[in-house]
Parts: sequence; C-alpha cells; structure tokens
Amino acid sequence: DTAVSQTPKYLVTQMGNDKSIKCEQNLGHDTMYWYKQDSKKFLKIMFSYNNKELIINETVPNRFSPKSPDKAHLNLHINSLELGDSAVYFCASGLTSGRGTDTQYFGPGTRLTVL
Amino acid sequence: AQSVAQPEDQVNVAEGNPLTVKCTYSVSGNPYLFWYVQYPNRGLQFLLKYITGDNLVKGSYGFEAEFNKSQTSFHLKKPSALVSDSALYFCAVRDRERRSSASKIIFGSGTRLSIRP
Repeated sequence: DTAVSQTPKYLVTQMGNDKSIKCEQNLGHDTMYWYKQDSKKFLKIMFSYNNKELIINETVPNRFSPKSPDKAHLNLHINSLELGDSAVYFCASGLTSGRGTDTQYFGPGTRLTVL
Repeated sequence: AQSVAQPEDQVNVAEGNPLTVKCTYSVSGNPYLFWYVQYPNRGLQFLLKYITGDNLVKGSYGFEAEFNKSQTSFHLKKPSALVSDSALYFCAVRDRERRSSASKIIFGSGTRLSIRP
C-alpha cells in the first residue's frame, strides 16, 4: 500500500546512456513532481504535472523529459547522461484543491550514479 | 520571489533537552509554510504545515512550529528531544497568491539535527 513509489531505487550507468525512472502514486492526487537532491542535500524542483499537463518546468537541460501517461504516473527520462546528473531524484505528489494548501508526499528516491 | 533560509547547517542537542530548528522565509504575499523530515536513505516525510489560524502548529512525533509574521519565521520545536529525532529537516514555503497548481514549494537548504544520548 505504498503511497508514492519509484523504480529503480538505485541506478548506476555509464556516461552517454539513456535511462528512465518511473513514479506512481495511489493517493488519488492530481499533481506530481520531480525533484533533484544534490550531494549537499539541496532539494530543487524540476517539473510538475497537473492532470497530465506540464505546469512547472524549471531550468533543466533538454536531456530531461518528463512523461505523464495518466494522473497516477510521472516518469522521468534522461538522455545522454552526464557525470553531473548524479544525484538522488525524488518524485512527489499532491492534491491541488481550490484552496491550494497541498501537502506533498514524497517517494523513497532514486539514487542515480553516472560513471 | 519566494525564498526560505535555514541558517544552521547542524544542530546538536542532548536527549531530553528542548530543540529548535530555525527557519525564516520571504514571500510577496501570505505564505503556506511546511516542515519535512528526511531520515537516512529515505524520502521526505511531512511533519506539519501552517495555513492560517493559530500561530502554533502541532505536527507528527511531538513536533510543533510557531508562525511569527513580524519576524517572518517558522521555527520548529520539540520540548524533549529523542535520539530517534536525528535526521535532516527541511523548511519549505509556498506563495498562496498564485494558482495552486502553478505554485512551487521552495525548500530550505536543510538542517541536520543530531541528538546525543
């Protein structure tokens, strides 16, 4: 009954490869997010989707492309991986009701290591 | 632009003593304020939030936070620390003026709380 799940938990790959991280939430939320946490634990939003529509798109390289097949899923595809992409990537979801007091619920994270 | 600051990278407290983790914020309007906790190798867990009303907000695991509008602060507190409270704590702010789905939550840089037995 995991609320927000991510796969894989660990991802080790070579520079230049293409990889995907999957995220699913079973909370009935309408908004999903991707965050990047760097080695200093600084957490920064990358994207958010509301009802499958891209809402927030921060300044991230075009190599990063989110895909939301439905409200419960938000996947992150990364092309041509670089050393600097090594980080922990967190998926989160929230319910953006009219009052907008959404609390975000986070997945366990995917630790990406690019060699 | 909204921002949030956690001035302390690390806070060390003896078990049983009260603890405070500081947070100050800056938004153009009225804020929504949050505290999250991250245990090692885990995702962030929601602790508490301030939306409106009583300035003292109570949350999970005995934590509470006090919203102070004049000082633009939202410090996290607990009367008696436990060793199990040792973790990384993040303060976050969202500007309530924007359309909710387009509004970002901005996280502070995190404060590592270490409780010694």
